[in-house]
Amino acid sequence: GAVVSQHPSRVICKSGTSVKIECRSLDFQATTMFWYRQFPKKSLMLMATSNEGSKATYEQGVEKDKFLINHASLTLSTLTVTSAHPEDSSFYICSARDQYNSGNTIYFGEGSWLTVV
Amino acid sequence: QKEVEQNSGPLSVPEGAIASLNCTYSDRVSQSFFWYRQYSGKSPELIMSIYSNGDKEDGRFTAQLNKASQYVSLLIRDSQPSDSATYLCAVEGWGSYIPTFGRGTSLIVHP
Repeated sequence: GAVVSQHPSRVICKSGTSVKIECRSLDFQATTMFWYRQFPKKSLMLMATSNEGSKATYEQGVEKDKFLINHASLTLSTLTVTSAHPEDSSFYICSARDQYNSGNTIYFGEGSWLTVV
Repeated sequence: QKEVEQNSGPLSVPEGAIASLNCTYSDRVSQSFFWYRQYSGKSPELIMSIYSNGDKEDGRFTAQLNKASQYVSLLIRDSQPSDSATYLCAVEGWGSYIPTFGRGTSLIVHP
């Protein structure tokens, strides 16, 4: 099946700094990628939909200036958590849609654990 | 507001039994249905997709879709302890490319 790679898998940063997480579709072109956040034992929370070549669409309550999303190519989307604080510590997961194959299925990256200290 | 409902569980079954996971959805024009498995601390992985009414089988897994009842289920035959995970149901509406996920059902398969 299609592969979506996410990097880094774990990151620890100091409060006030910014962290960038990359999401790559390795064997297909993804016009749409999604970014989720998940707290332990909780459900997935969609943060934003990332469309190649245009601005991301953020879900209600998600600060676009804090969670910067860039989808500059058909295989790469990035999420930057700016001025991170301990409450931003969470599991961030990206997913990408294989629009032309695999029945338009969405595949998930491995996820990134962010710890802000 | 599109909703996807799943019983959070945990659903506990003995090894070798059939595990039945259920999902209902509110949007009548939903067209695409997916089941994902998520192990603790890991990201979801796709198990099956189903688009038409009826059953779809893949190995030990069978997805069942009933659009009239707005109901999709996943059956796991010969359940193994390694099947213990949270199972997420995802639904997409017609023309919508944003899936709605349920909260997931925790499955425990005990030896």
